[in-house]
Formats: sequence, C-alpha cells, structure tokens
Amino acid sequence: VQLVQSGPGVEKPGASMKVSCKASEYIFIDYYLHWVRQAPGQGLEWMGRINPHSGATEYAQKFQGRVTMTRDTSSSTAYMELTSLTSDDSAVYFCARAHLISAFYHFDYWGQGALVTVSS
Amino acid sequence: DIQMTQSPSSLSASVGDRVIITCRASERIRNYVNWYQQIPGKAPRLLIYGASSLQSGVPSRFSGSGSGTDFTLTISSLQPEDFATYYCQQSYGAPYTFGQGAKVEI
Repeated sequence: VQLVQSGPGVEKPGASMKVSCKASEYIFIDYYLHWVRQAPGQGLEWMGRINPHSGATEYAQKFQGRVTMTRDTSSSTAYMELTSLTSDDSAVYFCARAHLISAFYHFDYWGQGALVTVSS
Repeated sequence: DIQMTQSPSSLSASVGDRVIITCRASERIRNYVNWYQQIPGKAPRLLIYGASSLQSGVPSRFSGSGSGTDFTLTISSLQPEDFATYYCQQSYGAPYTFGQGAKVEI
C-alpha cells in the first residue's frame, strides 16, 4: 500500500490550495481516506474524510465551508482543497487510509505529507 | 467533540526503561482508541488499535490497555528507535480527535 502526496508548497494569504493523494497497491474504493494536518511543532488535527466509492464527505466543523474533498476513481487519487488561506493554515497535510477491523476504525497507512506554507 | 488529554506531555527516559503514557477521553468511548508513533519529519505510524490490539509488524514491547475514559500505552523496554512523540486518537465517532501528544526524550 502506498499513498503518495503532492502539494503547492507555498501559497499567498487569501488564496486556495489543493493537495493530492495518489493511492496504489490496494482497491481504492474499498477504504475511506482521511485528511489530517499538523502545524509546525503542533499536534495532529483531523480535517475530514471521503468515501472513495460514493464520493460522500464529512468535514470537521472547523473547516466547514472552506474545505472540499474529492476523488478521481480512474486515477485512484483523492484531493483536498482549502480556500481563504491564512498563515494559520501553514502545516503539513497528511492523507491516511482508514481500516475497519472488528468495528475498530484506525488509520493504517499514511501519505508522506505535503508541507504548505501560507506567506505573502 | 470528544477531547483526548494525554499525560505527561513529555518525559525523559533511558534505554531499557518501562514507559507509560496515559490518555483520558472527555466522555466514555468504550475501547475505541488508537495509538500512533511519530518521528520528526515522518508520518504517524499506527501502533495499537481498539485500545489493545497490536498492529501487524509492531514490536511486542508496545501494549495498550483501558476502556471507558482511561487508556494507557506501555513500552516495556524502551529502545533507541522509540524516542518519538506518541498520540492517542478516539475512533468512537467523527471528528476523530487526537490527544496533544507525548514526547519521549532521552
């Protein structure tokens, strides 16, 4: 299983950013993908998830209205777009695959992370 | 939202030490807790799911316990590669919140 991420690197305040997460070596539509971010020197923050099969999404309330998660099943790639960026959005953005075993939900594979810096 | 509070936030230990990190949930979450290890500059790595189930490939010196609101991660004999930050996470329901982390230092 591999999740390979790419992102814009640097964006200006007020702009939007889009990070991708390309999955391989498993059936893409069989596992939810989650997005988690980590500001410099800080902890992990859950942003939301997407069901790659249906495209249904669920977002953390903090990001409602600013985040959109999508997927392209033909390329096994998930995307996370965040708008109206501020310096507080400077962080490493991770995608993670969610696995369900005996009703226990956990993130068993993670992308390498995409560092996004918001700066003028 | 369910809040996860870890303690201590950091600790100093030596190779061979037994290390215990605790995590308290703001409401009862049965045994829906995961533990991750993160080395600086790397993605988190799953250690424990369902409070006590060891993820495949994780050394047996790691163990987890607890139910309800109180959970622990134990490293039975600390190894050099275990110096890292450890996070608990609740998987009881969205948003899937994490603890603030516990840094294990030499």
